[in-house]
Amino acid sequence: QKEVEQNSGPLSVPEGAIASLNCTYSDRGSQSFFWYRQYSGKSPELIMFIYSNGDKEDGRFTAQLNKASQYVSLLIRDSQPSDSATYLCAVPNQAGTALIFGKGTTLSVSS
Amino acid sequence: KAGVTQTPRYLIKTRGQQVTLSCSPISGHRSVSWYQQTPGQGLQFLFEYFSETQRNKGNFPGRFSGRQFSNSRSEMNVSTLELGDSALYLCASTEMTGGISGTQYFGPGTRLLVL
Repeated sequence: QKEVEQNSGPLSVPEGAIASLNCTYSDRGSQSFFWYRQYSGKSPELIMFIYSNGDKEDGRFTAQLNKASQYVSLLIRDSQPSDSATYLCAVPNQAGTALIFGKGTTLSVSS
Repeated sequence: KAGVTQTPRYLIKTRGQQVTLSCSPISGHRSVSWYQQTPGQGLQFLFEYFSETQRNKGNFPGRFSGRQFSNSRSEMNVSTLELGDSALYLCASTEMTGGISGTQYFGPGTRLLVL
């Protein structure tokens, strides 16, 4: 059974700082990784996904994947109060037919 | 394209009752997954349907069941409701590529309260 672990937080950063969110996974064979953002009372929305080792950048967001160490991280540059949310990391299940989610890290950005 | 829709958005039931939740995926998406989200357990996978067939099931009791119709719309049913079934139920729509899951897009969810 694949597992995804995240620090529940809360992670508190001041406005304009870099927020670093981390996720570790149990299955060394996992190939793709997804980051979702969930605002309180809302459903998760996709931020980005990453398949290859290294960094993938999309605006203020950068996903970093290190397969050897089995972790994936999400960096948010120039954090804004609107980034305050729970961030969920996910990997596909063994069959590739559904996603296994971590419990999420709560980020709080103070102005 | 329209997004994933779920009905109803809110529901209040009492213990012992049953409930049916509905999900319409994004047009063209044939895979529908259901998740239960509670504060303590996070997002937990219930089951996934593709072309009217259940392909995967999570670790939930048999009181939780689902089905998918030929138009890809899906329903989930919970019988004999318990207080612990109070949760946000999320449906996710996926565009499959070669039978492998791609990105999942979530609906707004149905918030169920069991009294």
